[in-house]
Amino acid sequence: EPEVTQTPSHQVTQMGQEVILRCVPISNHLYFYWYRQILGQKVEFLVSFYNNEISEKSEIFDDQFSVERPDGSNFTLKIRSTKLEDSAMYFCASMGGTWAGELFFGEGSRLTVL
Amino acid sequence: GIQVEQSPPDLILQEGANSTLRCNFSDSVNNLQWFHQNPWGQLINLFYIPSGTKQNGRLSATTVATERYSLLYISSSQTTDSGVYFCAFQAGTALIFGKGTTLSVSS
Repeated sequence: EPEVTQTPSHQVTQMGQEVILRCVPISNHLYFYWYRQILGQKVEFLVSFYNNEISEKSEIFDDQFSVERPDGSNFTLKIRSTKLEDSAMYFCASMGGTWAGELFFGEGSRLTVL
Repeated sequence: GIQVEQSPPDLILQEGANSTLRCNFSDSVNNLQWFHQNPWGQLINLFYIPSGTKQNGRLSATTVATERYSLLYISSSQTTDSGVYFCAFQAGTALIFGKGTTLSVSS
């Protein structure tokens, strides 16, 4: 069964460093997302992406964050100048041929900022 | 924006018991989905249910869009059902999650 894959599964970084989280969405999906979940809290929308550009972003997704689809398969989230409060699980998700469909999540990348 | 309330926030069951989880919305919502987050943190699709009723094994879900709520039924619960259950709805291009119901099933 097709799935969304994410790497790394866990990354530890020092405050102020840059991290890149990588995702390979389901191959025929067109809509891509990043979500964040701080430990014990709800799943929060960060950004949606379609046709090589951001479609929508939340208040959380400020200038510290950026997304890119560098090739036909990968979808990345870059976090610059990481802060302690960036520690969270980051989920990538993808959706098929329409915004009104079922969303499929990867297993997440746990980011720990020290 | 639309507010979503999930109830109960926490639920403790003995194995074999049945339960009903609920999502209430402050306004009409689109493309309602239910997810299970297992103890390892994985988010697993349970149902894509904008309206009507669906069943999958011991789980079933009903969405009554006109009444602004959705229900998730778990029958004959098992320890593997433990975790957090989220409902989520479409707002623009985003899927917005409720705060979840934490379910603990003991043997």
